[in-house]
Amino acid sequence: EDQVTQSPEALRLQEGESSSLNCSYTVSGLRGLFWYRQDPGKGPEFLFTLYSAGEEKEKERLKATLTKKESFLHITAPKPEDSATYLCAVQVRTEYGNKLVFGAGTILRVKS
Amino acid sequence: DTAVSQTPKYLVTQMGNDKSIKCEQNLGHDTMYWYKQDSKKFLKIMFSYNNKELIINETVPNRFSPKSPDKAHLNLHINSLELGDSAVYFCASRPGLAGGSSYNEQFFGPGTRLTVL
Repeated sequence: EDQVTQSPEALRLQEGESSSLNCSYTVSGLRGLFWYRQDPGKGPEFLFTLYSAGEEKEKERLKATLTKKESFLHITAPKPEDSATYLCAVQVRTEYGNKLVFGAGTILRVKS
Repeated sequence: DTAVSQTPKYLVTQMGNDKSIKCEQNLGHDTMYWYKQDSKKFLKIMFSYNNKELIINETVPNRFSPKSPDKAHLNLHINSLELGDSAVYFCASRPGLAGGSSYNEQFFGPGTRLTVL
């Protein structure tokens, strides 16, 4: 069965304290790994897509990397506005078409 | 504003009732989805439609019936609501091949919080 596991479940950082979130996966036939940000009471907001091991993508203070078994979301010098739940999802192929399988998310709190 | 919109934002109802949630996207996307996010925050796909045609139907009770009157709309009707249906329901859309390098990116609506009493 396709599985996505995110760690830690929750992370508290001081402003400026860099860290990484982990997303490990076991899937049959990965067709992309996605990172989303979700603020309370809102829908997930797309951040990155990674398709192959070794690929990296950056956006402001965030950098996503991908290996054959996991992805990391690195947060450099975070600010309070980076506080959110970060969701990882893998796209897998089914007989009906592609679908996203989500992890449970990492709740990030950045204190000033 | 170009976006995925859902109505209502909140829905509180009694067990056994029938209710509908509406979703519209004005992004010109080909594919639309319904997801359920439970109390543990797991997002799980329920249905996927491509150009008004049902593509994915996960193991969802047949009390849930999606309807796509056109490419821009995907509504969700739920019959005989149960306590376990309480969750946040998200609609999403994806550009498909017309989206170029963004063809796989899914855009989510704001969610509908359903509470069954």
